[in-house]
Amino acid sequence: DAGITQSPRHKVTETGTPVTLRCHQTENHRYMYWYRQDPGHGLRLIHYSYGVKDTDKGEVSDGYSVSRSKTEDFLLTLESATSSQTSVYFCAIKGGGADAGELFFGEGSRLTVL
Amino acid sequence: GDSVTQMEGPVTLSEEAFLTINCTYTATGYPSLFWYVQYPGEGLQLLLKATKADDKGSNKGFEATYRKETTSFHLEKGSVQVSDSAVYFCALGLNTNAGKSTFGDGTTLTVKP
Repeated sequence: DAGITQSPRHKVTETGTPVTLRCHQTENHRYMYWYRQDPGHGLRLIHYSYGVKDTDKGEVSDGYSVSRSKTEDFLLTLESATSSQTSVYFCAIKGGGADAGELFFGEGSRLTVL
Repeated sequence: GDSVTQMEGPVTLSEEAFLTINCTYTATGYPSLFWYVQYPGEGLQLLLKATKADDKGSNKGFEATYRKETTSFHLEKGSVQVSDSAVYFCALGLNTNAGKSTFGDGTTLTVKP
């Protein structure tokens, strides 16, 4: 158990509303990631963080922002949700030591934008 | 850029059949290679990995060998079970670039009794 929790697990919202997804880890890992999963696209990286207040864009970052004010929390915000952002969102942390390179995933947050 | 191409699905097999899911990659450095599995309603979890050429990763009867000459990391299992039904993702990860990983599109496997 990598100690990753995502919230909310399910959310339905309307176009134009802001949405924040939270990822919380208990393992004190440096690297955290947000992915989205869509049929036919596998997992695509949205944003990642390599430390407190250190974040960078992934391949599909448009329309998303992130923040990491504490090691344990990584927030993904959709400032104004659109229907194209309907997806399943996964948070992941990168293992260290013997697990170096391996990603540990949360259980996902299913977002529906109407 | 880095990329992973894996066999398109869905794949449907009968119980005890042999499984192969092909995976090839393109990378500028020397990546580690991974297979992740996703069961319905869950997040991805590591199935096996290999960190250098000719390494063989294995777990739960699944195997994959890191082939640098063919840039491949094919997943195999000699006898699948119904409980192996899941989505399988091939991925590569580099030690640079904040350890970002690149994933294939996933292959859905259904095993019928």
